[in-house]
Amino acid sequence: EAQVTQNPRYLITVTGKKLTVTCSQNMNHEYMSWYRQDPGLGLRQIYYSMNVEVTDKGDVPEGYKVSRKEKRNFPLILESPSPNQTSLYFCASTTGRDTQYFGPGTRLTVL
Amino acid sequence: GDSVTQMEGPVTLSEEAFLTINCTYTATGYPSLFWYVQYPGEGLQLLLKATKADDKGSNKGFEATYRKETTSFHLEKGSVQVSDSAVYFCALSDLIRGGKLIFGQGTELSVKP
Repeated sequence: EAQVTQNPRYLITVTGKKLTVTCSQNMNHEYMSWYRQDPGLGLRQIYYSMNVEVTDKGDVPEGYKVSRKEKRNFPLILESPSPNQTSLYFCASTTGRDTQYFGPGTRLTVL
Repeated sequence: GDSVTQMEGPVTLSEEAFLTINCTYTATGYPSLFWYVQYPGEGLQLLLKATKADDKGSNKGFEATYRKETTSFHLEKGSVQVSDSAVYFCALSDLIRGGKLIFGQGTELSVKP
């Protein structure tokens, strides 16, 4: 089954404690993205990657890092989380112009 | 830059009512247009899409037509059901960034029996 998986689904942490949210896709897509969803703002792109070892900033990259060492994986790293990063995070993958497939989401709370 | 504007919610309808959710966009070039749906507690699912002007996307009784002259992609359904209660997002793809999606703010729909 074609899918995008994320882990963990829920995470509560404290300010400054480094965390990683994993994302994996099994569709051999080249293009992957991270979005955050906040009430009244829709979804905003954090980072994207157009292929292995190729990443670039989206609209709201501050406080986040990513890496793309393998085609299927695109982890999101928060090296020093802050409360304003409390949000719902989605990973997505696509071939490009066509449909993006979204993971189930990770609800992060930073205290 | 490119942007998407949706009508604000929440929208509350009775079962079998007609639904319209307005969506307009600003873009350079000719983006693809999408409607995604998010059911409570779930991720986003593609509802329908259109890739060029005058295309009509349709799925599960929902329709939307890509109108270049009015830069719109309004979502319609003739008879909504309680199970259609969800948040609906209009989006366009940014071709310069290899398909990045630019979303509207989302419209929450609640259908009452």
